[in-house]
Amino acid sequence: RKEVEQDPGPFNVPEGATVAFNCTYSNSASQSFFWYRQDCRKEPKLLMSVYSSGNEDGRFTAQLNRASQYISLLIRDSKLSDSATYLCVVNGARKLIFGQGTELSVKP
Amino acid sequence: GAGVSQSPSNKVTEKGKDVELRCDPISGHTALYWYRQRLGQGLEFLIYFQGNSAPDKSGLPSDRFSAERTGESVSTLTIQRTQQEDSAVYLCASSWQGLGNQPQHFGDGTRLSIL
Repeated sequence: RKEVEQDPGPFNVPEGATVAFNCTYSNSASQSFFWYRQDCRKEPKLLMSVYSSGNEDGRFTAQLNRASQYISLLIRDSKLSDSATYLCVVNGARKLIFGQGTELSVKP
Repeated sequence: GAGVSQSPSNKVTEKGKDVELRCDPISGHTALYWYRQRLGQGLEFLIYFQGNSAPDKSGLPSDRFSAERTGESVSTLTIQRTQQEDSAVYLCASSWQGLGNQPQHFGDGTRLSIL
């Protein structure tokens, strides 16, 4: 089993749609969780950290379920500019473990 | 600038040549990471430096790959006798702590093409 697993997609959604990504992780001792965004042929950039109580940043909501060992990212009112690959990141022993990413394509 | 700086941006070389890639982390960041990303693939961890600790080399794919870091500053990734399968984007990231609980900040990467 991979340490961090994501549905690779692609998720094709119309503008204005709400889309959710899930990510599962194998290490129950993990304490830090992040979502990164990677645009085509660009470097990954931190989108948001994920806190135990869940957190929201504008149209983006991140949640953590420790019991089931998954984190989620919800994007509301999706924009064309949200098209990218979203990487789930979990801390392992001394380093972060990146998922393979979920591709999102928002269409007009 | 204040971000992670990588050079060169692009490198094209012939199979069998050695290449050296450079990463200049954010000032004050003690942890430095190298990743490889092949076209359309996810990030592949290569090596990790944290302060004066022994580096975690568990991701290096073969003995042709090596990396060094001078103190808490610049790092170089060296690939000897390059092969076509080494073609990829090599990304460097740094964080202010290496405990795995701090977000990493990435450089723009070096796009390596082996002919």
